[in-house]
Amino acid sequence: SAVISQKPSRDICQRGTSLTIQCQVDSQVTMMFWYRQQPGQSLTLIATANQGSEATYESGFVIDKFPISRPNLTFSTLTVSNMSPEDSSIYLCSVDWQGRETQYFGPGTRLLVL
Amino acid sequence: QKEVEQNSGPLSVPEGAIASLNCTYSDRGSQSFFWYRQYSGKSPELIMFIYSNGDKEDGRFTAQLNKASQYVSLLIRDSQPSDSATYLCAVRVGGGADGLTFGKGTHLIIQP
Repeated sequence: SAVISQKPSRDICQRGTSLTIQCQVDSQVTMMFWYRQQPGQSLTLIATANQGSEATYESGFVIDKFPISRPNLTFSTLTVSNMSPEDSSIYLCSVDWQGRETQYFGPGTRLLVL
Repeated sequence: QKEVEQNSGPLSVPEGAIASLNCTYSDRGSQSFFWYRQYSGKSPELIMFIYSNGDKEDGRFTAQLNKASQYVSLLIRDSQPSDSATYLCAVRVGGGADGLTFGKGTHLIIQP
């Protein structure tokens, strides 16, 4: 499977600020996905990022709040904008492992908004 | 609306016994089914995936899929204390370009 890293691993931020989370994969992948896991909850898909095109957002998530970049086949960023305490979550990127149509997850970014 | 339902547990199973985890899904168009294991404070780890009706075995794990009943299960044989974790069921409606819809997970406790 792919080796996926995320930066930062955790952060504490003030409300009203923005944080950009990076996801790096050790091999080229077509699709990258961003999920959120709120405290005590399961994972919710935020958006799908395909290289060379705009991200596709799920219902309830908008580009102004969660802008995503996908500049190449091994890297993506998710920005959490104008943060509020409700944005406190674990943010995870995942990749679709080519040829197997399975998804593997990065280690996650733990975000606490005060 | 895509929904995936799991019993949140906790499900307590004696060491060495078979743990049975169940999941139902609402979208009949779902094509791929996944089981992830998540330890506290860690990210989900893929355990099994299944696409076709029937059973799929991998070591101590068996995934079972019944599309007519919209039901997926995971059996863990010879349960070990290290199997104690939250098990997440996930489904995908389309192909590899689609994200996953997750259930809320079942908390499994293996009692030594």
